[in-house]
Amino acid sequence: EPEVTQTPSHQVTQMGQEVILRCVPISNHLYFYWYRQILGQKVEFLVSFYNNEISEKSEIFDDQFSVERPDGSNFTLKIRSTKLEDSAMYFCASSTGLAFGELFFGEGSRLTVL
Amino acid sequence: AQRVTQPEKLLSVFKGAPVELKCNYSYSGSPELFWYVQYSRQRLQLLLRHISRESIKGFTADLNKGETSFHLKKPFAQEEDSAMYYCALSGAGSYQLTFGKGTKLSVIP
Repeated sequence: EPEVTQTPSHQVTQMGQEVILRCVPISNHLYFYWYRQILGQKVEFLVSFYNNEISEKSEIFDDQFSVERPDGSNFTLKIRSTKLEDSAMYFCASSTGLAFGELFFGEGSRLTVL
Repeated sequence: AQRVTQPEKLLSVFKGAPVELKCNYSYSGSPELFWYVQYSRQRLQLLLRHISRESIKGFTADLNKGETSFHLKKPFAQEEDSAMYYCALSGAGSYQLTFGKGTKLSVIP
């Protein structure tokens, strides 16, 4: 069964460093998402991406964040200058867009900012 | 603003007992409601959505607009139901999901 894959599974970085989290969505899916979950808190929406552009983004997704689909398969989340409060589990998800609300999630990338 | 509240952090029931996981929401329009589940060491996955009116793994959920609730129910809990359950909401025309904090269901053998 096809799955969303994410790399790395865990990344430790110093405050102020740039981080890129990578995701390979399911191949026939058209909508891509990033969510994050700070330890002990809710899963929060960051951004959705369709047709090579951002379709929605939350207040969390400020200028420090960016997404792109550089090669038609990978979907990346970049954090330009990490802060301590960016420490979280970041989940990538994808969907066909046909079954509303049915998102297929990756296993997550744990980001630790020191 | 849309909000999802799951009042119970942890719910423990005995095998064979009924289960009800509570979910209340706040949204000004007509929401789409979902339940997602995360089993131990597995990824988050969709369990059911209100629009489908389906029963999955014996679970059902009814949208009550008057009480703004979408409680998840199962008449007889099984050990394999032990997991983290998240209620989620999406507003009209949006693919953004707003999640609750989740309820950890523990089914005692």
